[in-house]
Parts: sequence; C-alpha cells; structure tokens
Amino acid sequence: AQSVTQPDIHITVSEGASLELRCNYSYGATPYLFWYVQSPGQGLQLLLKYFSGDTLVQGIKGFEAEFKRSQSSFNLRKPSVHWSDAAEYFCAVAPYSGAGSYQLTFGKGTKLSVIP
Amino acid sequence: DAGVIQSPRHEVTEMGQEVTLRCKPISGHNSLFWYRQTMMRGLELLIYFNNNVPIDDSGMPEDRFSAKMPNASFSTLKIQPSEPRDSAVYFCASSSLAGDPDTQYFGPGTRLTVL
Repeated sequence: AQSVTQPDIHITVSEGASLELRCNYSYGATPYLFWYVQSPGQGLQLLLKYFSGDTLVQGIKGFEAEFKRSQSSFNLRKPSVHWSDAAEYFCAVAPYSGAGSYQLTFGKGTKLSVIP
Repeated sequence: DAGVIQSPRHEVTEMGQEVTLRCKPISGHNSLFWYRQTMMRGLELLIYFNNNVPIDDSGMPEDRFSAKMPNASFSTLKIQPSEPRDSAVYFCASSSLAGDPDTQYFGPGTRLTVL
C-alpha cells in the first residue's frame, strides 16, 4: 500500500522568506502526486499535481513542486511567502484505480506559520 | 458554482445517538468521497462512489458507519450508535469522471463532537 510522509509537523517562516515543505512517498510505481492546502475551518484546495512529464510543476498562488524519483520526494516550494500562506499543507499520493477515480492517501500535514 | 455543500457544519451529540452527515456534490460531478480527519490519524478515505454506486468502502471503520448516495446530488454518512472516538471533522469531496477525475473538490467539512 502507498504511504506519504511529511517529516515536518510545524514550520515557521518570516514573510518574504523562501519556503520548502518536504514530502516523501512510498509506492511500487510512479504514483500521481498532489499538494493540497487547508485554511483554518475550511476544506482542502488543490495547489498542484504531478502525473508525468516535466518534473517541476507549477501551481496556484505561486507554488511549485519538484518530483525526484530517485529520492521518492515531491517537495513544495515558494520563493517568497506571504502572510496569507499560513495554513496547513498536505501531500497526497494516488494510484489510478481503474474505476475512474483517484483514491488519495494523505500525509499527516505540515502547519505553516508566517511571521509578519 | 456553489461548490460542495455539507451540513451541518457543526454537530454535538451524546454517545449512543444516531448522527447523519449530509453532502451535496458539485453539479455534474459523478464521483463522491467521504473522508475523516483526526489529529491522530490525519485524513482517511472512508468510502467513495462512482455514479451513485459505492466502489470501495474498505476505509469505513466498522458497522456503525454507513453511507448512501440515493441520487447524483445527495449523499449521507450515518453513524449509529455514535461513540466519543468518532469525534472528528468529516469531509465530503467530489470529482468529475469525464472531465477532471484526478481533481477532488472538498466541502468545508462537518465537525462532529460526541460527548
């Protein structure tokens, strides 16, 4: 079965600083990879996804992520963090089920705090 | 587009009571997912439906939990009887099999507290 590890439970950065959130996965083949963001009291919103092709993917809100097969990683980055980026971030992996849907397995999440 | 709608947003009940959570997926979406989020276990997929048919319910914790999707615009997750360990945030998500099946759109969640 697939699994996702987000080693950092909580990260604090200053506004304007760069950000990298780590994600490692375990899966027999190359999975489909996702990053979601959850603001307090809200549902999850998709930031970006990787299926194949270019290993550097661009998402919404200025985020990007890089897939590294050799390291089984899919780290999320942003060059300059804004106070509004404070939220919880979830990495997820999914095999294509064959039934048409993607069953997501989520990491435990990384909570991002931003210092003004 | 109203997005995925869940009700109630908050539910407080006593142990042993029946709890029913409701979800209205995005119009036109034909896959629906129920997730549970807790501090200890994170986000877990409970069950999902394609075209109103349950495809995989292996994540449903026990027989006290049941889910139905009587039509394309409505689903329920029922817990009977409820227990304190069921306290969690329950999310519903939907996606379109034909359009963008890999993107799930999440509702705001129902925060359940069982006393």
